[in-house]
Amino acid sequence: DAKTTQPPSMDCAEGRAANLPCNHSTISGNEYVYWYRQIHSQGPQYIIHGLKNNETNEMASLIITEDRKSSTLILPHATLRDTAVYYCIVRVAENYGQNFVFGPGTRLSVLP
Amino acid sequence: EAEVAQSPRYKITEKSQAVAFWCDPISGHATLYWYRQILGQGPELLVQFQDESVVDDSQLPKDRFSAERLKGVDSTLKIQPAELGDSAMYLCASSFRQTLDYGYTFGSGTRLTVV
Repeated sequence: DAKTTQPPSMDCAEGRAANLPCNHSTISGNEYVYWYRQIHSQGPQYIIHGLKNNETNEMASLIITEDRKSSTLILPHATLRDTAVYYCIVRVAENYGQNFVFGPGTRLSVLP
Repeated sequence: EAEVAQSPRYKITEKSQAVAFWCDPISGHATLYWYRQILGQGPELLVQFQDESVVDDSQLPKDRFSAERLKGVDSTLKIQPAELGDSAMYLCASSFRQTLDYGYTFGSGTRLTVV
């Protein structure tokens, strides 16, 4: 699986957009970008994933650069409950026996 | 919303004792995963099941860890004997199938402290 690089921590003011970057310069053509988050003392929670087009759901938006070497997760109006560790993972969607490899992620602190 | 159930939520055990964790995946999810998460790090896969069969246990310390999913539904992860370095969060996850377009659903985990 391709490696990802994320900043270890970020702060965001409550109500503002939180933009979490991820670099994945060695991503392969059939690898998707997935984002999970983990709130303290809970299991990771799936947020969103995409291949090359931008994606949006009720939780967040995912912007993938045209060369697919980086992406940004956007939480449009961050709340205190969005304080968590955010993991960016790249991998193929169909791969028997392969699994998500979690790095250390980005610790997002939403400040009042 | 369907959840992955795990128990116990917390477990304290003495070094060299046996300990077991239980996981009940979302109904209909054929693929089940056990992850271990050391404080401050991301989760790491221990074992993956497809129905009752082990698909990947390459990272499972088999001298002391064992996992089973006898009927292809719920699963048990056992450590015997426990060591101080086993203190961690043990997470169970399930997915509908091995294609990951739906992502994983994780349980809340079991936090193990070995003293």
